[in-house]
Amino acid sequence: GAVVSQHPSRVICKSGTSVKIECRSLDFQATTMFWYRQFPKQSLMLMATSNEGSKATYEQGVEKDKFLINHASLTLSTLTVTSAHPEDSSFYICSAMRLAGVQETQYFGPGTRLLVL
Amino acid sequence: GDSVTQMEGPVTLSEEAFLTINCTYTATGYPSLFWYVQYPGEGLQLLLKATKADDKGSNKGFEATYRKETTSFHLEKGSVQVSDSAVYFCALSVLNTGTASKLTFGTGTRLQVTL
Repeated sequence: GAVVSQHPSRVICKSGTSVKIECRSLDFQATTMFWYRQFPKQSLMLMATSNEGSKATYEQGVEKDKFLINHASLTLSTLTVTSAHPEDSSFYICSAMRLAGVQETQYFGPGTRLLVL
Repeated sequence: GDSVTQMEGPVTLSEEAFLTINCTYTATGYPSLFWYVQYPGEGLQLLLKATKADDKGSNKGFEATYRKETTSFHLEKGSVQVSDSAVYFCALSVLNTGTASKLTFGTGTRLQVTL
């Protein structure tokens, strides 16, 4: 199967610091990865599309200077929450797009729970 | 735009009961349809998918059939277990030329199975 990992699974940080979350596709290459945010008991909100070797595409209302995305290789994308504030506390989930012919399927990581104090 | 509508939860069932979670969609083009499951504190896992009309996706006793005429993709299971307690998300994606297809999610349906 297709496996996507995230690291760390949980992180607690102080307000004003930056936090980096890694997303890796372990057994396939992914030119495209996605970053989502999920609030308690709600659906996933797409934050941005991460494209290998090019700039990420952010959804409307998502601050690109606050949520820095880097997709340096075909198996790794990182999300950095800069100058984190308590309102950034959330569950962040990445997914990696796997291509099989013309079929695209997103496989999700286990998520990272961020708590900003 | 594309959208997915799911029945609101929570859905509470006794073990071995029959499960149906309704999902309907609107989309431009010909979407692929998915069911994802999220267990407490975890990310989403792909449960099943169907890529064209009349396809049936199945996995772990769950089934869903892509019904173009009713724009539906209802999730069913004949006999639920306590371990099936989770949140279920219906989603679609439309293949785009030149850009990655984004998933559009429903709001999720929480299933609680009791003994």
